[in-house]
Amino acid sequence: QSVLTQPPSASGAPGQRVTISCTGSNSNIGAGYDVQWYQQFPGTAPKVLIYGNSNRPSGVPDRFSGSKSGTSASLAITGLLPDDEADYYCQSFDNNVGGRVFGGGTKVTV
Amino acid sequence: QVQLVQSGAEVQRPGASVKVSCKTAGYTFNEYDIHWVRQAPGQGLEWMGWINPGSGATKYEHKFQGRVTMTRDTSIRTVYMELNSLTPDDTAMYFCARDLRYGSGLLKKYYFDHWGQGTQVAVSS
Repeated sequence: QSVLTQPPSASGAPGQRVTISCTGSNSNIGAGYDVQWYQQFPGTAPKVLIYGNSNRPSGVPDRFSGSKSGTSASLAITGLLPDDEADYYCQSFDNNVGGRVFGGGTKVTV
Repeated sequence: QVQLVQSGAEVQRPGASVKVSCKTAGYTFNEYDIHWVRQAPGQGLEWMGWINPGSGATKYEHKFQGRVTMTRDTSIRTVYMELNSLTPDDTAMYFCARDLRYGSGLLKKYYFDHWGQGTQVAVSS
């Protein structure tokens, strides 16, 4: 059972928009800690898509955007491409754990 | 460029130990914490803990305390993660990741900006 809760799957047609939620609590996201989002393809290491709730590292397309409100965060992918098929994980810091925590991951199908 | 290169796949018996290495290059070794994250087959990411390569200070997730040890060798820019008393539930891909600070303030503002390629550990009798 992950500390952060994500839907197991999400899907959309090419060109459409998909959003992924990440629900936490007052010991993590609600305590003010930022949320990061990582993209992972099968057999490879995760790669950061969003840091600090809504910031994109250089090289990440602006089709990916993040937001945070209260005890939750969300990742939006617009203009879906077949190459966006991957697993997506949210991550934050939790006071009870005393370290980083991840969501259970969401598999996006295009 | 920044590189984290991990050791090769391991097969261990239940009750044994495994030590995975993560050799770094392309940045000042002492200035970035290294975290370990594992992923069981078909499962999500699980944070295990971190080590500060400069001081050697460590912090482990409660679940692994008493069973995991993270160390470093500054002369060869390498960090290690050793996991003892292995069970089949420890079968997973183990990743090291560099922790990048992006902001200031009271709350931690870090993210994992570079990852190793992963080390597959299989535990089976």
